[in-house]
Amino acid sequence: AQKVTQAQTEISVVEKEDVTLDCVYETRDTTYYLFWYKQPPSGELVFLIRRNSFDEQNEISGRYSWNFQKSTSSFNFTITASQVVDSAVYFCALTLLGGGTSYGKLTFGQGTILTVHP
Amino acid sequence: DADVTQTPRNRITKTGKRIMLECSQTKGHDRMYWYRQDPGLGLRLIYYSFDVKDINKGEISDGYSVSRQAQAKFSLSLESAIPNQTALYFCATSDLRHGETQYFGPGTRLLVL
Repeated sequence: AQKVTQAQTEISVVEKEDVTLDCVYETRDTTYYLFWYKQPPSGELVFLIRRNSFDEQNEISGRYSWNFQKSTSSFNFTITASQVVDSAVYFCALTLLGGGTSYGKLTFGQGTILTVHP
Repeated sequence: DADVTQTPRNRITKTGKRIMLECSQTKGHDRMYWYRQDPGLGLRLIYYSFDVKDINKGEISDGYSVSRQAQAKFSLSLESAIPNQTALYFCATSDLRHGETQYFGPGTRLLVL
């Protein structure tokens, strides 16, 4: 079975600080996707990024960056120069590729509540 | 217009009542999912459907049933609602052609009294 752990339940920062959200996953499969979703106070779930297990390149999108390291089974998310609008719950998730009963189903972490103070 | 819609957005019901939550999508995706979100527990999968003729139980299907009326519609029913089914419910869709990324509806807040 797959497992995703987000050890940080809550993080509080002041605007313009950098913040890293940790995600550690467990799976015996070698082919999988990892995801990050954002849930702002309004409640919807917004897709941020998908990373294929074969692609360990880090990715940067504006103030967001992601560090994927298979050696440590981690997929961490960094927000640079945080803003109040970044306040949300962030979820890391995993889905397996290929066949099998777990194919296509997302396993979510418990989420990290990020609060950015002005 | 939103690609994934859920109705109702909010619902209050009483213990023992039957209710249905509906999900529609215009994304043309084959796969649809129902999740519930409880504080501190993340999202947990209730049921999923990979096509109209395929329905599968998720990790917490007890007390729920689903119907896939068409490729674009996937309904979740609580046959006899109980208070611990109070939660935020999400529908999601995905497609192999788009890397299995799941896109979520806006959610339905359900309160069972």
